[in-house]
Amino acid sequence: DADVTQTPRNRITKTGKRIMLECSQTKGHDRMYWYRQDPGLGLRLIYYSFDVKDINKGEISDGYSVSRQAQAKFSLSLESAIPNQTALYFCATSHVGGLTDTQYFGPGTRLTVL
Amino acid sequence: QKEVEQDPGPLSVPEGAIVSLNCTYSNSAFQYFMWYRQYSRKGPELLMYTYSSGNKEDGRFTAQVDKSSKYISLFIRDSQPSDSATYLCAMSYSGGYQKVTFGTGTKLQVIP
Repeated sequence: DADVTQTPRNRITKTGKRIMLECSQTKGHDRMYWYRQDPGLGLRLIYYSFDVKDINKGEISDGYSVSRQAQAKFSLSLESAIPNQTALYFCATSHVGGLTDTQYFGPGTRLTVL
Repeated sequence: QKEVEQDPGPLSVPEGAIVSLNCTYSNSAFQYFMWYRQYSRKGPELLMYTYSSGNKEDGRFTAQVDKSSKYISLFIRDSQPSDSATYLCAMSYSGGYQKVTFGTGTKLQVIP
């Protein structure tokens, strides 16, 4: 089984709808992240969490919210989806220690907002 | 100007060729340099990382960092069709948690 899973894998929704993307991990990592990937813009950090009680905004958090339900679960919500939130969304995890904060990514959720 | 610049490609090479993928960056404070590989419809996976300047080799892959030129490279020897993917460079500072800054990725296609 995959270490980092995301649901759903694909989602089409309409402008104004609330949508939640979910991430679960079995790696035992404390840190979890949400990124979006757009052509020509690369990966951009939306939110990150170091533990259940520690949640931080990334560079593009407007229009998004998150919830860290447990060490292994981190969900991303779009309260009122808009078309420019159409993108590929990735969850990632990392652990403290080692030389660098290397990140392990889930398979992604392709979100289309009409 | 972006902190990290990467040619998007696509780059097409014949099987067996040596591939060179590159990134430039503007922030001299970056200390950790990483390369991720992303297959179509998959998440990025870490290939290699290096700390500060120098070379690092892992099988057919070699990562080079030239901090004086703010330039990093990934070389792939004896390229295979299975190497066809998008390669993303990434960088971060040292000390505690530091945000990782990703390049936009170079799409590589190895033709059999």
